[in-house]
Amino acid sequence: EADIYQTPRYLVIGTGKKITLECSQTMGHDKMYWYQQDPGMELHLIHYSYGVNSTEKGDLSSESTVSRIRTEHFPLTLESARPSHTSQYLCASSESLGGTGTYEQYFGPGTRLTVT
Amino acid sequence: KNQVEQSPQSLIILEGKNCTLQCNYTVSPFSNLRWYKQDTGRGPVSLTIMTFSENTKSNGRYTATLDADTKQSSLHITASQLSDSASYICVVSDRGSTLGRLYFGRGTQLTVWP
Repeated sequence: EADIYQTPRYLVIGTGKKITLECSQTMGHDKMYWYQQDPGMELHLIHYSYGVNSTEKGDLSSESTVSRIRTEHFPLTLESARPSHTSQYLCASSESLGGTGTYEQYFGPGTRLTVT
Repeated sequence: KNQVEQSPQSLIILEGKNCTLQCNYTVSPFSNLRWYKQDTGRGPVSLTIMTFSENTKSNGRYTATLDADTKQSSLHITASQLSDSASYICVVSDRGSTLGRLYFGRGTQLTVWP
């Protein structure tokens, strides 16, 4: 079981509210990721970070923002939630598997967000 | 375009039976292929990772195969159990960046009936 945590697990919120999804890991991993997943669909990378003070946008355009002030913490913020933001958000972190260039990614349990 | 296709989309089997899930990919340059298990409402959990030089890897009752020439992989589940009910996701990584970008399939939803 990976030591990566997400809170809240479920969130129902009204349109226009500001929300922050928390993600933390205790494994000391430099790389962290946020994915968005709709039911029956593949995961899409929306943000990633190589380390402290490093953040990049992923493949899927997202109105959310992220920050990486501490190695273990990678929160995601939506300034004004909309129904189109309803989805599952998964956080992950990764470590290098030796000299193979392969990175094992560990996922958190996810946050199911519903915007009404 | 880098893509990962899985089949079947869903599968129902009886407890104790075996099954095989398929994955085809077009990701290039190829780095490695992973199979993840995702229980409903949870994050994916890694089952196996295979690099270019590996053509089979086992993890308990799960055995993954990789044919890098045809760009195909399969996940074989032996003697299925009720707890095997989950989505099984094929994920391919490229080696074009230090990020090790992952490309996800949509998963095969497996249901095991008693």
